Amino acid sequence: RKEVEQDPGPFNVPEGATVAFNCTYSNSASQSFFWYRQDCRKEPKLLMSVYSSGNEDGRFTAQLNRASQYISLLIRDSKLSDSATYLCVGHATGRRALTFGSGTRLQVQP
Amino acid sequence: EADIYQTPRYLVIGTGKKITLECSQTMGHDKMYWYQQDPGMELHLIHYSYGVNSTEKGDLSSESTVSRIRTEHFPLTLESARPSHTSQYLCASSDLRQGAQYEQFFGPGTRLTVL
Repeated sequence: RKEVEQDPGPFNVPEGATVAFNCTYSNSASQSFFWYRQDCRKEPKLLMSVYSSGNEDGRFTAQLNRASQYISLLIRDSKLSDSATYLCVGHATGRRALTFGSGTRLQVQP
Repeated sequence: EADIYQTPRYLVIGTGKKITLECSQTMGHDKMYWYQQDPGMELHLIHYSYGVNSTEKGDLSSESTVSRIRTEHFPLTLESARPSHTSQYLCASSDLRQGAQYEQFFGPGTRLTVL
């Protein structure tokens, strides 16, 4: 079982839609979480960090549920430019590097 | 924008050649990483470094080697390139001093094709 699991998608949604991705993690020692965005053939870029109480940045909301060991990302009012792969990332205490999920692909259609 | 650079961006080379992929960052970060990613697939950590003269192998076995002689520089070398090494190589760095904010910043990547 992968340490960080995501639904690969693709999620095909119309412009203006609200879309949510979930990500589950198996290592209960995971303390820090992030969502990265990766465009096709580009490098991953940090979208947002996920705090224990959840956090919001404009149209994006991230939440963490430690009891169920999942992280979510909600995108409201989807734009064409939101089309990308979204990577769920965790860091467990004592681990030397981040653990990346395989990504969820989002395609926003006009 | 992150100040982390990779050269070359694209490299097409024949089997058996020795290659070095360059990675430099100007953020003074202690930690640096190399990932390998095939198209549409997940990132795999192949090397990381905690600081000068510190290098460790990552989760994915790789025939490449790395060195960290200067904080800002983390080159990756393949002594004898093979077609199986064809992939995208991404360099990243992060700051040890940021505590729980363990964000990594990525370079633009080197797309390697070995014929």
